[in-house]
Amino acid sequence: DTAVSQTPKYLVTQMGNDKSIKCEQNLGHDTMYWYKQDSKKFLKIMFSYNNKELIINETVPNRFSPKSPDKAHLNLHINSLELGDSAVYFCASSQVSRILSGNTIYFGEGSWLTVV
Amino acid sequence: GQQVMQIPQYQHVQEGEDFTTYCNSSTTLSNIQWYKQRPGGHPVFLIQLVKSGEVKKQKRLTFQFGEAKKNSSLHITATQTTDVGTYFCAVFDAGKSTFGDGTTLTVKP
Repeated sequence: DTAVSQTPKYLVTQMGNDKSIKCEQNLGHDTMYWYKQDSKKFLKIMFSYNNKELIINETVPNRFSPKSPDKAHLNLHINSLELGDSAVYFCASSQVSRILSGNTIYFGEGSWLTVV
Repeated sequence: GQQVMQIPQYQHVQEGEDFTTYCNSSTTLSNIQWYKQRPGGHPVFLIQLVKSGEVKKQKRLTFQFGEAKKNSSLHITATQTTDVGTYFCAVFDAGKSTFGDGTTLTVKP
């Protein structure tokens, strides 16, 4: 069983189109994330949801709209795709702990988006 | 929020040589995490350090957290071709993990 699964794995689309990426986790975690990894492998957080509520939005263009129907799902919809949106988008989850030691992030396998 | 800088960005070694990547911060870190991402894969958690001066080992991998909790290192002894990939340090703070820019390791057989 894949702990964090996201679809589609590959997506090639034209500029201006709208697309969605779906994500599901079966780990029972309360927190889910979207990370973007560019061609230089820099990994940047985009959004974080805790129990369906948006808690982090890292100055992402409002063409990107996350939706969390329940705490096991976090989808990402992108409107009016641009060439610069080409990247790998990783869904992830964690169980946020109150202790200082931090939390392990579990990543999905990634969705490779190419905008042409 | 807490941020980390990671060096080097790339490292190419001959199989059997050692490898080290460094993670530095200008502020005291509450914790440091290390992840490995194989080519074409996704980041996978390796370890977490929280104590000043902490050292942990996983087979040929040695992880250290500085005494001042402002730096960390990952050292691989006698690299193998299976070690190729990008190694990220990260700090978990304010409900999210912030990643360093990664060190991409290539190993020549």
